[in-house]
Formats: sequence, structure tokens, C-alpha cells
Amino acid sequence: GENVEQHPSTLSVQEGDSAVIKCTYSDSASNYFPWYKQELGKRPQLIIDIRSNVGEKKDQRIAVTLNKTAKHFSLHITETQPEDSAVYFCAASVKKGNQFYFGTGTSLTVIP
Amino acid sequence: NAGVTQTPKFQVLKTGQSMTLQCAQDMNHEYMSWYRQDPGMGLRLIHYSVGAGITDQGEVPNGYNVSRSTTEDFPLRLLSAAPSQTSVYFCASSPGLATPTQYFGPGTRLTVL
Repeated sequence: GENVEQHPSTLSVQEGDSAVIKCTYSDSASNYFPWYKQELGKRPQLIIDIRSNVGEKKDQRIAVTLNKTAKHFSLHITETQPEDSAVYFCAASVKKGNQFYFGTGTSLTVIP
Repeated sequence: NAGVTQTPKFQVLKTGQSMTLQCAQDMNHEYMSWYRQDPGMGLRLIHYSVGAGITDQGEVPNGYNVSRSTTEDFPLRLLSAAPSQTSVYFCASSPGLATPTQYFGPGTRLTVL
């Protein structure tokens, strides 16, 4: 099955700086890559996603890049704010059955 | 729309007891999934369904059963609870293959003593 690795596990940045979280996947058949934000005690919420036929996608301060050849994708958050503090998960979806495999999460702390 | 709902929010079981975690969605989504979330391990897929009457195993299916008799409901059954099943359980749904975006329920925190 698919194996998704995520780094780093913890990340601290100063408010206004950028944050980058990286994930790799193993199954070349994976074709959809969402990123979720989870605040303490809450459910995961989708923040951005990218399909395998697209190399980059941006939504305001958040962007995701995908390198299919190297099988890695990254989340970029610019101009970080304290409310960006949360745990972020990447995931890869294998087309058959729409199964999702998640990374182990990155705990992001934005220091005011 | 209520979205994806789960009951109960919290549950404490004794080892060997059985119970059913309920999940329902009112968005007419074809795909539904169950995950467990443990500290440091992300979300792991237990079982999933691509439509009424169709279910399949995910990464960690042992000790759990599911059924999908209607599009709306996807209950997860713990057959004989074990302390290793202490976790937070999330149900999720998505429209289908063409629109894979998953929507999560609020979760059920289960403790097995």
C-alpha cells in the first residue's frame, strides 16, 4: 500500500515568517494530495489540495507544490500568523476506492 | 446541512465489551471512511465504502466491522474492545472519485479500560 512520510514533526516560526512542510509518497498511482489543518480537539479541515496533473496551486497565503517524478509535495505558508498554529497533515489518495493515506503530522507553532 | 455527524462524542468501555460508533452524512456522498487517530501516528484508515452495499478494508481493519446499508449511514462496530483500540475515531465522506475532497465528522473519543 501507499506510504506517506512527513517532515518535520514540529516547526516553530516567528510571526510573519514562512513555513514549509514536506511529504513524500511511495505509490506512483496516487493522484490526489490534500492538506489538512487540525486544531486541538477539533476535526481535520481541508486547507488546500492538488491533483497529479498540476504542479503548483496557490490560495492566498497557502501554496502547495507537487513533484511527481520525485514523489514529493510540499505545503508553503507565507506571512504566518498566530492563528496558523495547529497540526498539519498531508495525505495521498490512491484512485482505486478513493483510499487516503496520511502523514504523521507537523505541529506548527507561530510565535507572536 | 448537518454535514457528517458522529455519535457518541465520548465513550468508555471495558475490555471485551462491544459497541457501535455511528456515522451519518446528509450530503448524498458516495464514499465514506473510518479512521483512527493516535498520538504521533496521524490518521489511519480502518474501513471504507464506495457506495451502499460495498465496503473494503483499510490499513488497520482488525477488530472492527462495518456495513453500508444506506448511502447516509456507515456504522463502525467494535466486536470485543481491547485497550489498544483506545483512540479518537473520525468518520469522513466524499462525493466520489471525480470529487475526492473528504469532509470529516467531529470525532468520537473512545477509551477502553
